[in-house]
Amino acid sequence: EAGVVQSPRYKIIEKKQPVAFWCNPISGHNTLYWYLQNLGQGPELLIRYENEEAVDDSQLPKDRFSAERLKGVDSTLKIQPAELGDSAVYLCASSFSQNTEAFFGQGTRLTVV
Amino acid sequence: KQEVTQIPAALSVPEGENLVLNCSFTDSAIYNLQWFRQDPGKGLTSLLLIQSSQREQTSGRLNASLDKSSGRSTLYIAASQPGDSATYLCAVNAGANNLFFGTGTRLTVIP
Repeated sequence: EAGVVQSPRYKIIEKKQPVAFWCNPISGHNTLYWYLQNLGQGPELLIRYENEEAVDDSQLPKDRFSAERLKGVDSTLKIQPAELGDSAVYLCASSFSQNTEAFFGQGTRLTVV
Repeated sequence: KQEVTQIPAALSVPEGENLVLNCSFTDSAIYNLQWFRQDPGKGLTSLLLIQSSQREQTSGRLNASLDKSSGRSTLYIAASQPGDSATYLCAVNAGANNLFFGTGTRLTVIP
């Protein structure tokens, strides 16, 4: 069974440009998360979905970040416009339900120049 | 807010040695705790999940313990191998899978 799939794996963009990341969770997993990981740090939650509903987006910088999970399956995370400080690894994770084991994708490493 | 600390930040051991990684958290009201492994440039691989009602979980050479009242968990790795070299992260689930991560312990197993 395929794990959590993210694309692209790497992205380099100039500041002020838009960028989007895509995530396909494990089949049947209702809960999807986007995490941000800075170098040498642990991941931090950006947004959590239960099916298609964003139930926790308190850490998402809404002035430039947006996310959606259409039909409660795949999800996209967008940044517009990107800033230098957005350079990080963006991780997607999924779990069957709340408080069950979370599985992570390989991440997208974003470099803003 | 839950704060998670992992000590040591880095550890080097010779192959074959048993070792213990430590994780402490400030709020004992947790649902579960999960240990992950992260290889350089990769995502997180789940190793063990301990529910708040459990004391320990085992998977192969790995054994994780949980003492919720004292806010501590340990990951024991038996007979370490070079392939175990990675960063190990613990994550505390404060509810609804809102995971709070430590900054990790970078393990190097020397052949």
